[in-house]
Amino acid sequence: KQEVTQIPAALSVPEGENLVLNCSFTDSAIYNLQWFRQDPGKGLTSLLLIQSSQREQTSGRLNASLDKSSGRSTLYIAASQPGDSATYLCAASPSGSARQLTFGSGTQLTVLP
Amino acid sequence: GAVVSQHPSWVICKSGTSVKIECRSLDFQATTMFWYRQFPKQSLMLMATSNEGSKATYEQGVEKDKFLINHASLTLSTLTVTSAHPEDSSFYICSARDLSGRDNEQFFGPGTRLTVL
Repeated sequence: KQEVTQIPAALSVPEGENLVLNCSFTDSAIYNLQWFRQDPGKGLTSLLLIQSSQREQTSGRLNASLDKSSGRSTLYIAASQPGDSATYLCAASPSGSARQLTFGSGTQLTVLP
Repeated sequence: GAVVSQHPSWVICKSGTSVKIECRSLDFQATTMFWYRQFPKQSLMLMATSNEGSKATYEQGVEKDKFLINHASLTLSTLTVTSAHPEDSSFYICSARDLSGRDNEQFFGPGTRLTVL
């Protein structure tokens, strides 16, 4: 059974810093991996999706990498802003027909002005 | 991007009543929708996979008679919490997979906050 872990559980940084969020998964037979953002009491916003054949994806100040062999993904946020404060979730999709997502427990990010 | 809506966004009900939550894909068709539950400070846990025109597949530990799922069309799935109790209070989120978009990219609804008194 796939297990997804995110470290750290919480992170607080001053505005302008570059930061890295970590995600690890136990089963490397994934179809893709997604990073989401969740604001308090809200649903999920998809940030980046990396197919299993890809090594990274970029969108603006965000860059996500995927290393299937080591079971790791990282989300890099450049020049952090207070508006980046949220919980960041990674989720792995298994190979197979159903392809439901297994979520990590999230990293709660606070960017201080 | 693809949009998924949920209704209602929040609901408060008395213990013993039933509550229906709707999940709609607004601008795309979805043969598969997923229902998740999220307790405070915890991550999303998959409850069931809803397939259009067939029975839902429930995850281990989720009571199918308590959480009734109907996926009657390619754009609508409903979750009915029957005989709700305070322990069912949670944030319920649905997602839908776009048939025509990138394979297995799921789009999430804004969630429904259920409070059972």
